[in-house]
This record gives sequence, C-alpha cells and structure tokens, in this order.
Amino acid sequence: GNSVTQMQGQVTLSEEEFLFINCTYSTTGYPTLFWYVQYPGEGPQLLLKVTTANNKGSSRGFEATYDKGTTSFHLQKASVQESDSAVYYCVLGDLGGSNYKLTFGKGTLLTVTP
Amino acid sequence: GGIITQTPKFLIGQEGQKLTLKCQQNFNHDTMYWYRQDSGKGLRLIYYSITENDLQKGDLSEGYDASREKKSSFSLTVTSAQKNEMAVFLCASSISGTSAETLYFGSGTRLTVL
Repeated sequence: GNSVTQMQGQVTLSEEEFLFINCTYSTTGYPTLFWYVQYPGEGPQLLLKVTTANNKGSSRGFEATYDKGTTSFHLQKASVQESDSAVYYCVLGDLGGSNYKLTFGKGTLLTVTP
Repeated sequence: GGIITQTPKFLIGQEGQKLTLKCQQNFNHDTMYWYRQDSGKGLRLIYYSITENDLQKGDLSEGYDASREKKSSFSLTVTSAQKNEMAVFLCASSISGTSAETLYFGSGTRLTVL
C-alpha cells in the first residue's frame, strides 16, 4: 500500500533560519503530492501541491520538489518567521483503486522562536 | 470563497454514549470526508461521501456511522464512546473527489470521553 514518512516529529528554529522538513513516500505510478499546513486551532489547509514528477511547487516562500528518483518531496524555506509555526503534513494522492483516499504523513511540528 | 462549519467545537461524552458530530459546507462541493486526528498519527479517513446519500467506508470506519442527507451536510456518529478517548475529528470537502484535488477542512471537533 501507499505510505508517507516524515521522520521529524518536531523542528525548532529561530527566525530567519533555513527550514528543511524531510518527506519520503512509497507508491506505484505518478500520484499528486501535497504539503498541508495546520495552524493552532484551525484545520489543515493546502500549502502547495505538485502533480508532475520532477516538478517543483512553491507558495508563500515554501518550496518542494517532486523527486521520483529518490521518492522524496522535502519542504524547504529559506528564512522562517514566527508566523510559520504550525504542523506540516506531507500527503500522497492515490492513483490506485480509490481516487478518494489521501495518505497523510504523521506531521512535523515547527516552532519558530523570535 | 466558502467555509466549512463543524459543530460542536468541543464535545464531552461518557463511556458507551452515542455522540453525533455535524458538518456543513457552502462550497457546493460534491465530496465530503470525515478524518480522525490523533497526536503523532497524522489524519486517518473514517468515512467519505461522493454525493448526497452516498457513503463510503475509510480505513477507520469501525465504531462510527455517517449520514449525508443533503449535499451541504455530513454528520458522523460515534456509536459507543470509548473511555479516555481523546481525538480531533476533522470534516473536509472537495469539488469532486479525485486524488489531485485540494481538500478544504473545518476547524474540527475535539472529543473527550470521561
């Protein structure tokens, strides 16, 4: 079956530091990959998505490249702000029997200190 | 734009009790979802509905029922609350439900069972 691995449960950074959140996935075919972000007290919201292998998605200063060779979709940001503090989920779309199932990683809690 | 409204925001129940969570969306989306969010486990799909009066089981449907009587609303019932259970239940919707679409989430119902 499909799986998504986010090894980092928590990341703590100071403002203006570089962010890297690791995400690897396992599936067959060429699914869509997503990053969702969840701010405190809110539901998750789409941060970015990439539908084509070897393409890059970007939004609000965040970037992620869909790397079919290494089955990775790492999230990066050059300079974080305190307002980026949230939980980040790497998510895999399903091209298998069901088109309706997404596979979520366990999430990475980002805390940015001023 | 649209919004997903979940009620109640907080739900406290007793062991063995039947509890109902409600969700309304004004996006006019066809597909709606219920996810369970546990700390450190990501999001897991309980039920989804492709259209009015349709119900499909997700990976975590045991112990739950769902109902989609109108396009705009989707309710979830915990058939017998488990003692010390704590989780956040998230409702979401998407235009039609293919795996490349964006999901729009509500802010959740936080369940505590005494």
